[in-house]
Amino acid sequence: GAGVSQTPSNKVTEKGKYVELRCDPISGHTALYWYRQSLGQGPEFLIYFQGTGAADDSGLPNDRFFAVRPEGSVSTLKIQRTERGDSAVYLCASSFLRDQETQYFGPGTRLLVL
Amino acid sequence: SQQGEEDPQALSIQEGENATMNCSYKTSINNLQWYRQNSGRGLVHLILIRSNEREKHSGRLRVTLDTSKKSSSLLITASRAADTASYFCATQRLDGNKLVFGAGTILRVKS
Repeated sequence: GAGVSQTPSNKVTEKGKYVELRCDPISGHTALYWYRQSLGQGPEFLIYFQGTGAADDSGLPNDRFFAVRPEGSVSTLKIQRTERGDSAVYLCASSFLRDQETQYFGPGTRLLVL
Repeated sequence: SQQGEEDPQALSIQEGENATMNCSYKTSINNLQWYRQNSGRGLVHLILIRSNEREKHSGRLRVTLDTSKKSSSLLITASRAADTASYFCATQRLDGNKLVFGAGTILRVKS
């Protein structure tokens, strides 16, 4: 079946603008994760959804970052007043309820803030 | 924040040689996983080893775990040019689902 998909693949924006990044998890996966990967680093956890609710948002760096998953499937990561330091690859992953050890990653959205 | 360290940061070998990458972590874990990443995009899950396991094999991959030293190693035998990628270890705790990644090892296999 289809894997995790993310749109857009690339996003260029200007400092101060608002951006939305979308993640479509694998069908039937109840858990959804957002990670951020800066150049030359490993991914860093941002937020984790179980169904519609955020089970752990401890990785969100500040209140400019917000994520939703209103129907328990597609998720949107929203960044307000973007800063140059927000430039990174934003990765989404999903996992099946009965095997939450294995996360399946999407191809990521590369965000560049000018 | 990143939890652990990986070494080496970069490794360059000839096709057919073995590649060994090491990972250290700081907290107690439920499992440790290794992922591969090509061209800085999506991660591919390679292998998972649980905290009560010491060694695991999958094809040309062999992973070891030493919980007393909080370290793991990934061995890729008989490397191929297609193994060229970045490799990351990631830990998962018993009380949470998030993965905590190391900084990764860049592997280049020359043909």
